[in-house]
Amino acid sequence: DIQMTQSPSSLSASVGDRVTITCQASQDISNYLNWYQQKPGKAPKLLIYDASNLETGVPSRFSGSGSGTDFTFTISSLQPEDIATYYCQQYDNLPPWTFGQGTKVEIK
Amino acid sequence: EVQLVESGGGLVQPGGSLRLSCAASGFTFSSYAMHWVRQAPGKGLEYVSAISSNGGSTYYANSVKGRFTISRDNSKNTLYLQMGSLRAEDMAVYYCARENTVKDAFDIWGQGTMVTVSS
Repeated sequence: DIQMTQSPSSLSASVGDRVTITCQASQDISNYLNWYQQKPGKAPKLLIYDASNLETGVPSRFSGSGSGTDFTFTISSLQPEDIATYYCQQYDNLPPWTFGQGTKVEIK
Repeated sequence: EVQLVESGGGLVQPGGSLRLSCAASGFTFSSYAMHWVRQAPGKGLEYVSAISSNGGSTYYANSVKGRFTISRDNSKNTLYLQMGSLRAEDMAVYYCARENTVKDAFDIWGQGTMVTVSS
């Protein structure tokens, strides 16, 4: 199975800061990478698919990039409502649809 | 409104069984593969099981293989997860999710149902 490694596991930033999360795959997955947001007590929500495509209705401050084994998720200007845990997920080598371990984003 | 609603969670003793349901509405359920994902308290997301749109193909994570059975009833727009030989490590919130094959992503998730395994 492909392993997905996210970093950092948690971060604290100020409102308005640029936030970056990385996700590394254990083998080449092309651009078959999704990002989800999970707020406390809620179900995950799809934010980005195919590494860089923004899901309908998701604010443009969220973005994704990368291909192969290295991927980046960015919040251009952190907002209070962005407090959540973010997960990457690969879908190149299926099954299983492997998730990263998550990155918890907090406000400083 | 497109939605998934899970039910069936609860308290079960180690070694016991439980069946989860996921009721779909607002979309053509029979056209979509479906998945179960779980989250232990304070932990990350763990992929559990998948079933194709017609139910003909299934997948299980090694951690549940031989103990859990995924199924669906397209006439009732409902997905199921039959869980047996439950262990403490199966305690989690269980989410059902719809697979969007255009985006190759899980675009719709249920609210989750909690399974507690304890004596």
